[in-house]
Amino acid sequence: DGGITQSPKYLFRKEGQNVTLSCEQNLNHDAMYWYRQDPGQGLRLIYYSQIVNDFQKGDIAEGYSVSREKKESFPLTVTSAQKNPTAFYLCASDKSQGGRRGTEAFFGQGTRLTVV
Amino acid sequence: GQQVMQIPQYQHVQEGEDFTTYCNSSTTLSNIQWYKQRPGGHPVFLIQLVKSGEVKKQKRLTFQFGEAKKNSSLHITATQTTDVGTYFCAGHNNDMRFGAGTRLTVKP
Repeated sequence: DGGITQSPKYLFRKEGQNVTLSCEQNLNHDAMYWYRQDPGQGLRLIYYSQIVNDFQKGDIAEGYSVSREKKESFPLTVTSAQKNPTAFYLCASDKSQGGRRGTEAFFGQGTRLTVV
Repeated sequence: GQQVMQIPQYQHVQEGEDFTTYCNSSTTLSNIQWYKQRPGGHPVFLIQLVKSGEVKKQKRLTFQFGEAKKNSSLHITATQTTDVGTYFCAGHNNDMRFGAGTRLTVKP
């Protein structure tokens, strides 16, 4: 089945640690996105990538890093510089190819990160 | 950068009443999409609007895209308890930015 997979579903991090959230898609989508969602809040864009080996900062990129070495994968690292990392993280992908027109985005099931 | 505002933040209705959520962008959009997120779930695509002034219907849901391609609305006629969730608009211009969402609760 084609889809987008995030792992793990739940993640606990100690203060001062870096953690990496996985996002893999087999939909052959060029564009991938990372969002953060806080309780009762909307989705805030962290990073996005429209093509392999290229990515752009979103509205809240500080304290996060990404890579896009393969079309299928867009991992997000939450670094110790992120002061308030506890949140629900969502990864999405769509067929956009560096242009302005988007298409239906598919979301992963999300990773709930808690700092302990 | 592009900003997408959405109102209201919350809406509580009696089953059978209508519901509308509004979305406004600071810039002209290439297209706009609408998503629904059930509690504890992830956003699920509902529809995409591309043309200026476009109107699309899905059963009881009506979606509109403004003439200037900067605003949009989602209207639900005669809400049902299955409509409960948070409705998000998302504007496309190279990236995809979401409105804050409107959380709909429906009293049976």
